[in-house]
Amino acid sequence: GEDVEQSLFLSVREGDSSVINCTYTDSSSTYLYWYKQEPGAGLQLLTYIFSNMDMKQDQRLTVLLNKKDKHLSLRIADTQTGDSAIYFCAGEGYNFNKFYFGSGTKLNVKP
Amino acid sequence: DAGVTQSPTHLIKTRGQQVTLRCSPKSGHDTVSWYQQALGQGPQFIFQYYEEEERQRGNFPDRFSGHQFPNYSSELNVNALLLGDSALYLCASNLKTGGSYNEQFFGPGTRLTVL
Repeated sequence: GEDVEQSLFLSVREGDSSVINCTYTDSSSTYLYWYKQEPGAGLQLLTYIFSNMDMKQDQRLTVLLNKKDKHLSLRIADTQTGDSAIYFCAGEGYNFNKFYFGSGTKLNVKP
Repeated sequence: DAGVTQSPTHLIKTRGQQVTLRCSPKSGHDTVSWYQQALGQGPQFIFQYYEEEERQRGNFPDRFSGHQFPNYSSELNVNALLLGDSALYLCASNLKTGGSYNEQFFGPGTRLTVL
């Protein structure tokens, strides 16, 4: 199966950039994903990247993918207090939509 | 357009009991997946239903079973509940398109507590 690892916590000040990192073991994922989970809520898809891309930018979000090192990162520019949440990276197994999630990174944004 | 809905929101059961959780997929979606999210962990894939059949299964015991109805809604059943089954159960739906990207939409989850 696939293992996905993330650091547990990240604390930044409002207005700074946040970088959340993820490493994965299975390179068969066609897409890699970042999800956001706020307290008491389900998962919200933030962005995704196709496995043959190195970078994807979507407004304040930038995803970097290093396939050689199996490393995925999410950069949030101009982080706001509303960005405080848990962020999960996920890959899909060989069969689409069987997602493997990391344990999540709790982002705390201080005003 | 209603997204993925789940019921109930919260549920308390005792060890040994059985529970049924329900999910209605997003309009237009035909595939439903279930995930278990223990406290402080990421979601773990339980199984996926498409065309009323279980298509894929994660590493969960047979106590976990499911069903998909002709209207694409789905149920998750857990028998002989254990304390360790306490978790948030998430349902996700998507339209199966044979391999190209299609987004999974997640419901808000059912919080199951086993005492």
